[in-house]
Amino acid sequence: SQQGEEDPQALSIQEGENATMNCSYKTSINNLQWYRQNSGRGLVHLILIRSNEREKHSGRLRVTLDTSKKSSSLLITASRAADTASYFCATDYGQNFVFGPGTRLSVLP
Amino acid sequence: DGGITQSPKYLFRKEGQNVTLSCEQNLNHDAMYWYRQDPGQGLRLIYYSQIVNDFQKGDIAEGYSVSREKKESFPLTVTSAQKNPTAFYLCASSIDRTAPGGAFFGQGTRLTVV
Repeated sequence: SQQGEEDPQALSIQEGENATMNCSYKTSINNLQWYRQNSGRGLVHLILIRSNEREKHSGRLRVTLDTSKKSSSLLITASRAADTASYFCATDYGQNFVFGPGTRLSVLP
Repeated sequence: DGGITQSPKYLFRKEGQNVTLSCEQNLNHDAMYWYRQDPGQGLRLIYYSQIVNDFQKGDIAEGYSVSREKKESFPLTVTSAQKNPTAFYLCASSIDRTAPGGAFFGQGTRLTVV
């Protein structure tokens, strides 16, 4: 399977702390995207990083991509209770998006 | 406002019935996708369409069918051949896979077999 794998599967932190989630994949990709899903809802696109990029920022989000290790990380700084959700990476290897199983983030007030 | 709409939000199917899930977008996107999500799992691709009147099977197409007669619409039929259809179904669209905005998702349809 070319599916990405997020790590950890679940993460609980206190409000104000930083949250880091990782994504590993198996084949060369065109780009990697991170999505957020609130319980029972659709996914919301957070950020796209292309294979020739190493780091991108968007507000409190920081995404890195290491193509040599076939891995990406999503850092959420100064987390809030509203950040509680599942986070998925999606890899584009030229055929389609392939989603990993996700990381369930709980931010405790 | 532009967006992607799935209906209904909840759907119940009896054994042996076919049911159709609706997905409509007014974003002028060429590409549309159907995913299935099981509890605590990621998304698995059922079908996708890159252009009107053309669609391709995804990883788990068996027991499902689609059509793409209009750019705006990509309905998914869950047939009686799908033995375990209870799941959360998500429709998405995108300009293309490299667009910075990524894919736009509907709010999902939760299908339950009764």
